[in-house]
Amino acid sequence: QVHLVESGGGVVQPGRSLRLSCAASGFIFSRDDMHWVRQTQGKGLEWVAVISSDGSDKKYADSVKGRFTISRDNSKNTLYLQMNSLTAEDTAFYHCAKDFGFSVELQGVFDIWGQGTMVTVSS
Amino acid sequence: DIQMTQSPSSLSASVGDRVTITCRASQSISSYLNWYQQKPGEAPKLLIYAASSLQSGVPSRFSGSGSGTDFTLTISSLQPEDFATYYCQQSYRTVLTFGGGTKVEIK
Repeated sequence: QVHLVESGGGVVQPGRSLRLSCAASGFIFSRDDMHWVRQTQGKGLEWVAVISSDGSDKKYADSVKGRFTISRDNSKNTLYLQMNSLTAEDTAFYHCAKDFGFSVELQGVFDIWGQGTMVTVSS
Repeated sequence: DIQMTQSPSSLSASVGDRVTITCRASQSISSYLNWYQQKPGEAPKLLIYAASSLQSGVPSRFSGSGSGTDFTLTISSLQPEDFATYYCQQSYRTVLTFGGGTKVEIK
């Protein structure tokens, strides 16, 4: 069964850093692009970043560009999100999601999601 | 960025009702439109991709239609397990964006 399990969330002070992890199982992790998507009550769902299957290509939302870094370790079937210079605006549930990617037309479709890990930025 | 606008933001319906949710894009996105269902405490679940293709394992009472800027998700006969929040999402541009969600509640 396909599973994505996030970890690493918590309460952090503004300006500090946090690293999230997403452990994948049940599929060939190294074949698929992977995303981070965050969710808040107020702003709903917001795409954060994507990384290609081999890790060579990365794209970010403007709201996190220069502060967040997406990466992956295909030998460990794990996706990461390094978050620096955190602000209250980054408070959210962070989901990792697998890209459907069955064809070019299906890139950017999230076919599997993790339940998320909560990040709270507060002093 | 492409803005996605869903309507209504919430609706009340009864089991057996036909339910329609609308999603409008701020520019043409061809058929690069996807629908997700999310229940409280759970991760979103892909229902429909490419505007009208049913994801494997999703009941056939769910259907999607539309192209360009206007799209529709229809539940032909609402079941108790369908009470949830539904989101549209465009995958036309690299910066992927979502609608604000439609909460389907029990009347």
